[in-house]
Amino acid sequence: AQTVTQSQPEMSVQEAETVTLSCTYDTSESDYYLFWYKQPPSRQMILVIRQEAYKQQNATENRFSVNFQKAAKSFSLKISDSQLGDAAMYFCAYRRAGNQFYFGTGTSLTVIP
Amino acid sequence: DAGVIQSPRHEVTEMGQEVTLRCKPISGHDYLFWYRQTMMRGLELLIYFNNNVPIDDSGMPEDRFSAKMPNASFSTLKIQPSEPRDSAVYFCASTPKGRETQYFGPGTRLLVL
Repeated sequence: AQTVTQSQPEMSVQEAETVTLSCTYDTSESDYYLFWYKQPPSRQMILVIRQEAYKQQNATENRFSVNFQKAAKSFSLKISDSQLGDAAMYFCAYRRAGNQFYFGTGTSLTVIP
Repeated sequence: DAGVIQSPRHEVTEMGQEVTLRCKPISGHDYLFWYRQTMMRGLELLIYFNNNVPIDDSGMPEDRFSAKMPNASFSTLKIQPSEPRDSAVYFCASTPKGRETQYFGPGTRLLVL
């Protein structure tokens, strides 16, 4: 079974600082995708970044980057130069080859001015 | 592109009533997913379709829940009869064939009194 674990229910960061959100997953598959989604108070689910398991290079999207450790089944999200608009719930997600998605329980990020 | 459209955005009903949630996926997307989000259980996959055919409905909590996709541009999730424990935010998401990213609708916030 595939499970996604986010061990940090809440995190906080000072504006302009860097924060890292943790995610681990359990799978026996070798081909899969990993995602981070952001859910602001509006409840809209917004894709932040994605990573293909076959790629060794860590994905980067502007201030957002991941640290993908395939052997350790770890997929952390780093947010640099944090902004007030980054405050949201962040979900880690795993997609297996059959297009089924599994989500973690989320990490609530607070950005302190 | 209008994105995934869900209606209604908010629904308040009384226990025992029938509730129908609607979703219009992004044009050209082959996969459609229904999720339920609660504080207690997080984001749960209820059912997903590929080319209008239900592929996996193992997440549907019980027989009171049913989902249909009569054509490529429309899907419904029905709860009959509704119960207070069905109160949640229900998301619809779609994915294009051959692509791995899910695009979420804005969600329907359901409150069953």
